[in-house]
Amino acid sequence: AQSVTQLGSHVSVSEGALVLLRCNYSSSVPPYLFWYVQYPNQGLQLLLKYTSAATLVKGINGFEAEFKKSETSFHLTKPSAHMSDAAEYFCAVKVPGKLQFGAGTQVVVTP
Amino acid sequence: AAGVIQSPRHLIKEKRETATLKCYPIPRHDTVYWYQQGPGQDPQFLISFYEKMQSDKGSIPDRFSAQQFSDYHSELNMSSLELGDSALYFCASSLYLASGGEIRSTDTQYFGPGTRLTVL
Repeated sequence: AQSVTQLGSHVSVSEGALVLLRCNYSSSVPPYLFWYVQYPNQGLQLLLKYTSAATLVKGINGFEAEFKKSETSFHLTKPSAHMSDAAEYFCAVKVPGKLQFGAGTQVVVTP
Repeated sequence: AAGVIQSPRHLIKEKRETATLKCYPIPRHDTVYWYQQGPGQDPQFLISFYEKMQSDKGSIPDRFSAQQFSDYHSELNMSSLELGDSALYFCASSLYLASGGEIRSTDTQYFGPGTRLTVL
């Protein structure tokens, strides 16, 4: 069965520092992978998606993710954190009929 | 661009009452999904509909039912509410079959803002 695992339930970064959120997938077939962001009391917003067209995917708000088959990873990065990046981030894999989400990573940005 | 609309945004019910959540997908999207997100948890898939037919079913209690109407909006009906049903309920929509008839295998799901259900 396809699944994703997010390493680290909480991440604290300083404003201006690199944001790195880890996601590893388990899949016997080429996966479709997604990163969503959830701001407090809001819905899930699509950040970016991997659909096998390119291994480096650029998303909104300066985020990008790189698909590495050898490491079964799809880590999310942003070069310089902003206070507005404080939110919960979910990695997800498309399985037949639905999305399977990781447990989420809460990002805290400190001044 | 139009997004997924959910109503109501907040709902407070007593135990054993019923609740109806509504979802209006992005125009021309043909597939609707329902997810439940408990406090501090990741969203869990409940049920989905494609072209008004149930297409997949997840961990949806028998007390819950859902349907998709001819205008593609969907309703999630919840009966005999329990305290544990308190959660954020998301609706998402996607386009599975494009106008040219080709299957959009990625069918990216776009989420609504959610309905926060509190059962007292």
